[in-house]
Amino acid sequence: EIVLTQSPAALSLSPGESATLSCRASQSVSSYLAWYQQKPGQSPRLLIFDASNRATGIPARFSGRGSATDFTLTISSLEPEDFAVYYCQQRSHWPPTFGQGTKAEI
Amino acid sequence: EVQLLESGGDLVQPGGSLRLSCAAAGFTFSRFDMTWVRQAPGKGLDCISGISGSGGTKYYADSVKGRFTVSRDNSKNTLYLQMNSLRGEDTAVYYCARAGSGWCFDFWGPGTLVTVSS
Repeated sequence: EIVLTQSPAALSLSPGESATLSCRASQSVSSYLAWYQQKPGQSPRLLIFDASNRATGIPARFSGRGSATDFTLTISSLEPEDFAVYYCQQRSHWPPTFGQGTKAEI
Repeated sequence: EVQLLESGGDLVQPGGSLRLSCAAAGFTFSRFDMTWVRQAPGKGLDCISGISGSGGTKYYADSVKGRFTVSRDNSKNTLYLQMNSLRGEDTAVYYCARAGSGWCFDFWGPGTLVTVSS
């Protein structure tokens, strides 16, 4: 199965700063890469699909880019509600796999 | 409004069985593939099973193959996961999720907790 490695594992930031999260795949997943946000006690929420497309209702401060094996999620000007765990996920090959997560903390 | 609601989670002994259900509303259920994703306490996300909209094609992760069975009843807008031969490592919150575009999960239920312990 395809392994996704996220970095960093955690990052400490202040509201208003920008965050760049990385996801590297063990083999090419083309552009079939999604990003999810999960807050404590909640189910994940889709942010970005197919590398760079924002899901419905997702603010423009969230953006994604990349292809093949290297992807990034950028959150410009962090809002207090953005502090959460972020997962990348590939849908190129079954089983769909997730990265181990990056925790964005204040 | 799309809604997914899991049920059936419980405390079960190792070797036991459990059936989870996921009731769907707010969309044409039969048009979408569905999946089960689990999350062990304090851990990441693990997609363990998927099923096509018609129910004719099923997918399993190696960790559950031969023990878990996914099914759906499109007349009842309900997804199921039959879990047999449960192990401690199956302890997790189990989410059902809609596959909006390929295996990209655009809507999730709140999850149901399965605890496998003696």
